Amino acid sequence: GAVVSQHPSWVICKSGTSVKIECRSLDFQATTMFWYRQFPKQSLMLMATSNEGSKATYEQGVEKDKFLINHASLTLSTLTVTSAHPEDSSFYICSARMTSLSYNEQFFGPGTRLTVL
Amino acid sequence: GESVGLHLPTLSVQEGDNSIINCAYSNSASDYFIWYKQESGKGPQFIIDIRSNMDKRQGQRVTVLLNKTVKHLSLQIAATQPGDSAVYFCAEGFSGSARQLTFGSGTQLTVLP
Repeated sequence: GAVVSQHPSWVICKSGTSVKIECRSLDFQATTMFWYRQFPKQSLMLMATSNEGSKATYEQGVEKDKFLINHASLTLSTLTVTSAHPEDSSFYICSARMTSLSYNEQFFGPGTRLTVL
Repeated sequence: GESVGLHLPTLSVQEGDNSIINCAYSNSASDYFIWYKQESGKGPQFIIDIRSNMDKRQGQRVTVLLNKTVKHLSLQIAATQPGDSAVYFCAEGFSGSARQLTFGSGTQLTVLP
């Protein structure tokens, strides 16, 4: 149990286009999901916290108009990178916190590799 | 907070030896700690967790030690195998909370044949 999927697993796009990444909790409900970005040989950088039915909370320095997050259901959150540029190329990882758990374990997706040409 | 822009520390061990990976956490109020393993091109995988009311917890071939006095966490891997080669991250957070976890900078473990 506690599987999180991401789609697509990798995407290549042209500069200026928008890309949508989906994060799904497959066998549990997740009131809260998190979006991270990871550059090569670096740690995970939290971008935003996504709460079902409400606006996402963005970390300092993350542009909310560029990284649109929608958490429309208890099993799906989406991250849209708008007007992507080469510097947005990164590994994007989501995690989901199981609603029923009393402690803060997060289950991670496999990540999405974004390459902007 | 997260360590941004730092190169990963590395640890090389011989196959069959024990590995010890260390982590210093930042918030003395954190009461929940997790170790994750991340293989290249994949998302982090849960290894073991520990709450602050414990100082040691054992799993299969892994042991986590928590020293709250010096805010130090360690992961011990017994009889290290080639499949253990990966980047290992510690994370700190708060039990019973939807607040985010804070990740350490990670350690690259390489198991030598």
